[in-house]
Amino acid sequence: DQQVKQNSPSLSVQEGRISILNCDYTNSMFDYFLWYKKYPAEGPTFLISISSIKDKNEDGRFTVFLNKSAKHLSLHIVPSQPGDSAVYFCAASGGGGGSNYKLTFGKGTLLTVNP
Amino acid sequence: DVKVTQSSRYLVKRTGEKVFLECVQDMDHENMFWYRQDPGLGLRLIYFSYDVKMKEKGDIPEGYSVSREKKERFSLILESASTNQTSMYLCASTYQLLGNQPQHFGDGTRLSIL
Repeated sequence: DQQVKQNSPSLSVQEGRISILNCDYTNSMFDYFLWYKKYPAEGPTFLISISSIKDKNEDGRFTVFLNKSAKHLSLHIVPSQPGDSAVYFCAASGGGGGSNYKLTFGKGTLLTVNP
Repeated sequence: DVKVTQSSRYLVKRTGEKVFLECVQDMDHENMFWYRQDPGLGLRLIYFSYDVKMKEKGDIPEGYSVSREKKERFSLILESASTNQTSMYLCASTYQLLGNQPQHFGDGTRLSIL
């Protein structure tokens, strides 16, 4: 079963506009959520995280929102830049059962920012 | 900056061969991980090591083993390579096993099994 879901395989936005990447999860025991960005032929790099006790975390152009009741989080990028074009992975940690170290990843969303 | 180095960017091997993928990190991290990334499947954990000579199975350990003889080095071994092990392999490390501690990834090894 897929505990972390990114239902949009791809997203295309214009430079300067807002990009919104979505992620849903099923396991209410997850305690942290992280976003990673991946360029082709490179490893994922950490972008931003949020604790399950928060509903918002902001870092420059990147903001993550968490709605625990809906088991939904989103990453907002404002303003979007062509260099933001990459695959974005949502990941969750915790989950109980002695697997607190484990990151569970979504399948990723390919963001394309058009000049 | 944390540096995680995977010894090969691209590797081509034959079915049945024993394959070694090497990973080295330079930040004295206790914890190291091996993932594989496949289109449409995201990243899946193969094995994890929390100390020298210590390991735990991840979600898809079948057909793989690992070795951690030194703290900085974590090796993934394909005992008898098969075509369904063609994939991108990613190594990662982290200092503490806390949920908000990000894992730092290498650039990956694209392995093709013919």
